[in-house]
Amino acid sequence: TQLLEQSPQFLSIQEGENLTVYCNSSSVFSSLQWYRQEPGEGPVLLVTVVTGGEVKKLKRLTFQFGDARKDSSLHITAAQPGDTGLYLCAGAGEGGYQKVTFGIGTKLQVIP
Amino acid sequence: EAGVTQSPTHLIKTRGQQVTLRCSPISGHTSVYWYQQALGLGLQFLLWYDEGEERNRGNFPPRFSGRQFPNYSSELNVNALELEDSALYLCASSRRQNINDSPLHFGNGTRLTVT
Repeated sequence: TQLLEQSPQFLSIQEGENLTVYCNSSSVFSSLQWYRQEPGEGPVLLVTVVTGGEVKKLKRLTFQFGDARKDSSLHITAAQPGDTGLYLCAGAGEGGYQKVTFGIGTKLQVIP
Repeated sequence: EAGVTQSPTHLIKTRGQQVTLRCSPISGHTSVYWYQQALGLGLQFLLWYDEGEERNRGNFPPRFSGRQFPNYSSELNVNALELEDSALYLCASSRRQNINDSPLHFGNGTRLTVT
């Protein structure tokens, strides 16, 4: 069974601060996705990274896939209250979504 | 386009009862996935339906079952409810099974509480 560990599990920061959350595994994934889930809603896809070492930017969010495709990080610059939510990483093996493993998530609170 | 819709939004059942949850995928999406999100656990894969057929199931007992209808909507049935079945049940749809070609779109879930 592939396991994804996310850290930290909880993070509370002030508006304007920078932060990084991590997603680690001992398994190799064909791709890795990051989702954000807000209370009372389903997860929403932020990004998919496919190539080892790949870096993708989405406004103030920077996603990196590890060279060995076993880990990933999400860095947020100048966090805003609207960034508050549960950030989930999900690793995909071969064979479609049934092979996707989700982490427990990092619960981020940005205080105005 | 309308997103993935799930009903009901909340449900309270007692142990031993049965429950049916419903999901309508985005128009044009043929694959439907069911996940369980229990407190302190990540999303756990339950079932995958595509073109009306069950394609794969996760590590859950047989009392978790479902089906997909010709219009691609889906039902998840849980029999003999146990307290640990309390969770948010999420449905997702996609156009194809390849994660890089067709992202998962999630509904807002059904919150099931078993007492």
